[in-house]
Amino acid sequence: DIQMTQSPSSLSASVGDRVTITCRASQSISTYLNWYQQKPGKAPNLLIYAASSLQRGVPSRFTGSGSGTDFTLTISNLQPEDFATYFCQQTYSTPPETFGQGTKVEIK
Amino acid sequence: QVLLVQSGAEVKKPGALVKVSCKASGYSFTNYYMHWVRQAPGQGLEWMGMINPSGGSTRNAQKFQGRVTMTRDTSTSTVYMELSSLRSEDTAVYYCARRGRSTSWYYFDYWGQGTMVTVSS
Repeated sequence: DIQMTQSPSSLSASVGDRVTITCRASQSISTYLNWYQQKPGKAPNLLIYAASSLQRGVPSRFTGSGSGTDFTLTISNLQPEDFATYFCQQTYSTPPETFGQGTKVEIK
Repeated sequence: QVLLVQSGAEVKKPGALVKVSCKASGYSFTNYYMHWVRQAPGQGLEWMGMINPSGGSTRNAQKFQGRVTMTRDTSTSTVYMELSSLRSEDTAVYYCARRGRSTSWYYFDYWGQGTMVTVSS
């Protein structure tokens, strides 16, 4: 199975900051990488698919990049509603559709 | 609009079985695979398996082999996930998620609201 490792596990940031979350795959996954946002008590919400494609309705301050084994999710101009946990997911070699362990973005 | 509505919370004893439903609406039910993902309290997301609503074929995570059964009812656009021999470690929120697709990439574009399953004696 392909392992997905996110870093950091958590971070503190202020409104207006630029935040970067990293996801590393245990082997190359091309661009078969998705990002989700999850708020407490809610289901995950798709933000980015195919490493860099923005899902409809997702604000443009969210950007994804990377290919192969290393990927990043960047949130520019962090907004109060962006404080949440973010997960990456690989869909290159399935099953299983493995997720990263999550990165919690907290208010500084 | 696309909606996935899951059944309500369950409390089960160790060794019991639980069956969670996920009713889909707002799209062609048989055109999209449905996946199940669980999340233990304070933990990450764990993929459990998937079902093709068109033919009913399934694939499950190795971890759940022999314990999980996924079925569907096309007449009601509902998928079901049954987990047997429950243990305390199965306490989690269980989600159904629709697999959307864009050319060769796929993703989980719609999710149910989640069903809390508590296993306790």
